Amino acid sequence: DVVMTQSPLSLPVTLGQPASISCRSSQSLVHSDGNTYLNWFQQRPGQSPRRLIYKVSNRASGVPDKFSGSGSGTDFTLQISRVEAEDVGVYYCMHHTHWPFTFGGGTKVEI
Amino acid sequence: EVQLVESGGGLVQPGGSLRLSCAVSGFTFSNSWMCWVRQAPGRGLEWVASINEDGSDKYYVDSVKGRFTISRDNAKNSLYLQMNSLRAEDTAVYYCARASRGAPEEYWGRGTLVTVSS
Repeated sequence: DVVMTQSPLSLPVTLGQPASISCRSSQSLVHSDGNTYLNWFQQRPGQSPRRLIYKVSNRASGVPDKFSGSGSGTDFTLQISRVEAEDVGVYYCMHHTHWPFTFGGGTKVEI
Repeated sequence: EVQLVESGGGLVQPGGSLRLSCAVSGFTFSNSWMCWVRQAPGRGLEWVASINEDGSDKYYVDSVKGRFTISRDNAKNSLYLQMNSLRAEDTAVYYCARASRGAPEEYWGRGTLVTVSS
């Protein structure tokens, strides 16, 4: 199974400042069809998860452009350009290139 | 408005069974992959199972293979997870979600709590 490793585990942030979360996979997430199936999810306290980014860098519907994803192969990053109070929560990467799918352990973003 | 409403969770003894349901409205269920994702108390997310549009393809995380069965009824716009031989480590909130190529996407339910304990 592909192991997804996120860092840091906890990310103290300052309002208005940028933030960056890293996600590394134990093997390449490039599918034979040429796509890289790496998603990012946000889970605010007490809420269900919400998909932010799909296929590395595509923002999901309704996701503000302060969120951006990048990376390739085994190394990926989620960036928040200017952190707001509503961004507090846990962020997860997840791949769906190979069965079984796996999530990273999560990064807790706190002010 | 899109709604996914899970039900069927509760307290069950080790070795017991539960059947979770997810009632869907607001999108064309029969055209959508669906999946289950769980979250143990205070822990991260774990993908559990996915099913394709007509139920002919099903995929599971290794830890539930042979014990859990994902299914759907497109006439009832409903997704199910039959859970047998439950273990303490299956204790979690179980979310259903619409899926894209098997992976959860924008629409998630609020979850239903399953507690396996004697």
